Order: sequence, then C-alpha cells, then structure tokens
Amino acid sequence: GAVVSQHPSRVICKSGTSVKIECRSLDFQATTMFWYRQFPKQSLMLMATSNEGSKATYEQGVEKDKFLINHASLTLSTLTVTSAHPEDSSFYICSARDHLISSYNEQFFGPGTRLTVL
Amino acid sequence: GESVGLHLPTLSVQEGDNSIINCAYSNSASDYFIWYKQESGKGPQFIIDIRSNMDKRQGQRVTVLLNKTVKHLSLQIAATQPGDSAVYFCAERGGAGSARQLTFGSGTQLTVLP
Repeated sequence: GAVVSQHPSRVICKSGTSVKIECRSLDFQATTMFWYRQFPKQSLMLMATSNEGSKATYEQGVEKDKFLINHASLTLSTLTVTSAHPEDSSFYICSARDHLISSYNEQFFGPGTRLTVL
Repeated sequence: GESVGLHLPTLSVQEGDNSIINCAYSNSASDYFIWYKQESGKGPQFIIDIRSNMDKRQGQRVTVLLNKTVKHLSLQIAATQPGDSAVYFCAERGGAGSARQLTFGSGTQLTVLP
C-alpha cells in the first residue's frame, strides 16, 4: 500500500512552454501533498504544500504564479510549470500524506519527474 | 533558519564492511527523524525512522542512532552490499505546533567497492 505515482516520468520541452506534472496517491487519500525540487547532486527542497480544496502554501522564494499547484481531489495534485526556462530543468518529486495513518511515517514519495527545458 | 546537514558528502566502503553515515540537525524541537535512500533518477525510499524519545532503533541491517544532546543522527548499515550504493538523506520533522514538514539534509553519496 501507500503508493504515489507521478506522470510523466520525464519530459523535455521548449523554453517558454508550460508543463503539467501529475501526482496521484493510488491506494489512499491524501489531504496534503508536497512538491519538492531537486537539482543535480543536491537535496530535496520543498517548493509548496498543497491542501485539497484550498490554495497551496509556497515556500519562500518559490514563485506561485510560475509554479501553479492544483489539488482538486484527495488523490490528485498537479504542478504546472508555466513559461518554462532552462533554469527550471530539475527533478520534481511529490509526496502525499495519508491522513488516516496515525503513525509518524505518514508521508510517501513519488518516483519523481525529470524536466528538461531546451 | 533551521537546517539539517551532513558531515560527509561522499563515503566509499568495501563490500561487506559496515557503513556509518552521519547527520547534524539544528532544530531542537524536531521530534521525528527519517533516513531515506535515493537511487539515481528515483524518488526517496524510506529506510528507517526514529522518534525523539528514543536513542536507537534497529531494522534489517540498519541501525539509527539519535543523540539529542549534540543534535546528531547516524545511520549504520551492516555488511554493506553493492545494492546499498545510493545517496542517503536524513530528514527531520518539527514537533507539535510547527508545520510538521520534512526538512532534508544535504545527502551522502555511498559507494560500495567490490
């Protein structure tokens, strides 16, 4: 159980285009999902926290108008990188929190999406 | 701000030896810590966790030690195998009253030599 999927696994796009990444919790409901960005040989940096049915909370320095997050259902959150530029090329990872789990290990990670902007 | 960091960015060990990966954290209010393994091109994989009311926890071939006095966390891997080669991250989560988000350390690249 507790599987999180992401689609696509990798995407290459031209500069100036928009890219949408989906994050799904396959066998549980997630009231909260998190989006991370990871540059090569660096750690995961939290971009935003997405709560189902409400606006996402963005970390300092993350442009909310550039990284659009939608969490319209308990099993799906989307991240749209608008007007992508080469510096947006990165590994984007989502995670989902199972709100029914009472143990401490309640957050599960997706496999990541490799975005390359040409 | 609060941060979680690692002492060693790279670690090479001989197959069969034990590995020790270290992590320092600065948020004294953190109440939960996790070690993740990340293989190239993949998402983080949960290895083991420990609550702040414990100082040691063991799993299969792995042991996590927590020293709250010096804010230090370590991951010990026994009889390291080639499949253990990966980047290892520690992560901490704030206690009650915080946003309870995970904060990741900078990572250690573990390479297992044949």
